[in-house]
Amino acid sequence: SQKIEQNSEALNIQEGKTATLTCNYTNYSPAYLQWYRQDPGRGPVFLLLIRENEKEKRKERLKVTFDTTLKQSLFHITASQPADSATYLCAPAYSSASKIIFGSGTRLSIRP
Amino acid sequence: ETGVTQTPRHLVMGMTNKKSLKCEQHLGHNAMYWYKQSAKKPLELMFVYSLEERVENNSVPSRFSPECPNSSHLFLHLHTLQPEDSALYLCASSPNSQGPSGGETQYFGPGTRLLVL
Repeated sequence: SQKIEQNSEALNIQEGKTATLTCNYTNYSPAYLQWYRQDPGRGPVFLLLIRENEKEKRKERLKVTFDTTLKQSLFHITASQPADSATYLCAPAYSSASKIIFGSGTRLSIRP
Repeated sequence: ETGVTQTPRHLVMGMTNKKSLKCEQHLGHNAMYWYKQSAKKPLELMFVYSLEERVENNSVPSRFSPECPNSSHLFLHLHTLQPEDSALYLCASSPNSQGPSGGETQYFGPGTRLLVL
């Protein structure tokens, strides 16, 4: 079965720095991979989607990369702000399974 | 967040109670989902409905019973739950259910925080 691994420890970053979150998967490459943000007690909110034939995707201060050789996706937040503090979920989607699998998430804290 | 609503937001129930969770989506989507989120565990997919037909049931105990009367509404009926069923229950919708073409972003509701005593 597919396994999704995200930074298991919480990530603490100084405001203004770039935060980098890691998502590793085993076995098969997903058809596409999504990143979601989740605040405490609320549902996840979609941020970015990257397909297997794309290397990089950007949206404002967010950047996602997808390396099928390393079986890894990186999620970057540049010029981080305290409001970026949340849990970030990696969610690869496999065409064979026809469903999204969510990672356990990485809790990010941006200190002023 | 107003695209998918869930009620109630919080629920406390005893093991012998029967209750229902309600989800409504205002996005015109064809697929709806129930997820369970326990502390420090990944989101667990429970049920998937596409055009009101159940297309996935991930070995969920029968004490959880879903119902999808139309493409905008989804219910999760609960009875004789166990304390380990305490969790955040999330409803989501997407334009279509996941398929080989991919690209289906999910829109989540705020969740129902359930506590089983």
